[in-house]
Amino acid sequence: DTGVSQNPRHKITKRGQNVTFRCDPISEHNRLYWYRQTLGQGPEFLTYFQNEAQLEKSRLLSDRFSAERPKGSFSTLEIQRTEQGDSAMYLCASRLNTEAFFGQGTRLTVV
Amino acid sequence: GQQVMQIPQYQHVQEGEDFTTYCNSSTTLSNIQWYKQRPGGHPVFLIQLVKSGEVKKQKRLTFQFGEAKKNSSLHITATQTTDVGTYFCAGPEYRGGSNYKLTFGKGTLLTVNP
Repeated sequence: DTGVSQNPRHKITKRGQNVTFRCDPISEHNRLYWYRQTLGQGPEFLTYFQNEAQLEKSRLLSDRFSAERPKGSFSTLEIQRTEQGDSAMYLCASRLNTEAFFGQGTRLTVV
Repeated sequence: GQQVMQIPQYQHVQEGEDFTTYCNSSTTLSNIQWYKQRPGGHPVFLIQLVKSGEVKKQKRLTFQFGEAKKNSSLHITATQTTDVGTYFCAGPEYRGGSNYKLTFGKGTLLTVNP
């Protein structure tokens, strides 16, 4: 499979715990995005990278969220001290030119 | 920041009926993209429109970009059950060169009664 891969697909965690998600983009894609999506809403921008550089982070994102793309390939999104409001689908997308290719997402449930 | 609005939020049609969703941006767009998300799936790119007044067709789907490049529409002729899903428009906010983030609308959920 040469598409965007996200792991895990599902994560259930207790409030207050830290979680980390991984995204493996399509190999030649230099741009990588993280979005969050809740039921009935469109994807909400979180952050994006060009190669290893994080170019923008949403102002709505609290300091509990951090993302890295250390070698310009895979990326990780960490949420510290999770809250119930963090429950959502976390989508990763990568692109080289016009089209953004999305992964299947990681569904986070905070209980 | 840029806001992208879509109407209607939901649309239920009988198979064979037509469907249209509308997208409006708070700012002039350099281009607009459309994505489809099947239930339980992830967004999949459909098309990009770039020119003012542009119309593009993909089989039964017709996409239009407004003259002022602030609105767009997607029209599906004679819907089929395979058209079920949420249709999103997305506008880029450029950050220099070809770097941009996509701002998505809330989408229109289409359901089709067979």
